[in-house]
Amino acid sequence: GAGVSQSPSNKVTEKGKDVELRCDPISGHTALYWYRQSLGQGLEFLIYFQGNSAPDKSGLPSDRFSAERTGGSVSTLTIQRTQQEDSAVYLCASSRDLEGGYTFGSGTRLTVV
Amino acid sequence: AQSVTQLGSHVSVSEGALVLLRCNYSSSVPPYLFWYVQYPNQGLQLLLKYTSAATLVKGINDFEAEFKKSETSFHLTKPSAHMSDAAEYFCAVLDSSNTGKLIFGQGTTLQVKP
Repeated sequence: GAGVSQSPSNKVTEKGKDVELRCDPISGHTALYWYRQSLGQGLEFLIYFQGNSAPDKSGLPSDRFSAERTGGSVSTLTIQRTQQEDSAVYLCASSRDLEGGYTFGSGTRLTVV
Repeated sequence: AQSVTQLGSHVSVSEGALVLLRCNYSSSVPPYLFWYVQYPNQGLQLLLKYTSAATLVKGINDFEAEFKKSETSFHLTKPSAHMSDAAEYFCAVLDSSNTGKLIFGQGTTLQVKP
């Protein structure tokens, strides 16, 4: 597609439920990143994909968080047993190289109530 | 390890005035530096990047930034602010892990007054 597409744009979920966030990167972009943007926390790196593998998942905050990427394209970030501190905007970005010039999606705003 | 510090979480300027957003970095290797802008309810958009070529980097919408090694700074400027420049601005440094990971500053919200 022309840009990075994320869905849903907003998600309200009850504490303890699982959620899946989807990212559809720009076609041909082999690198894909997930970041979390929280009030007062800035942008926090979560995970990096190169193709379908994740060489760096050092930013995932706990084992409740997982992500996968299939076909070198779409990625899904899954949060199990959501907690209120998981409330944030989750941003996906893709890039054709590793020099930091990303294209970001508009994000998914997750609210855990 | 690399880091970025943005001085001033909020900056307010009048329309037509100079915009100056400050960023200082720490890096053990020659840095690649970036400025991104985030408009309300949108993702981040790349404004400009420094990759060790010219020290004065020009970006979109008349923004520019100057890399000053002696001051470890990469401040963002624009000669004349427009109302449409109101947004949050993030400075970032490329992590040295060769993953393309970016380390972001805390962001600066720019307010433009009529």
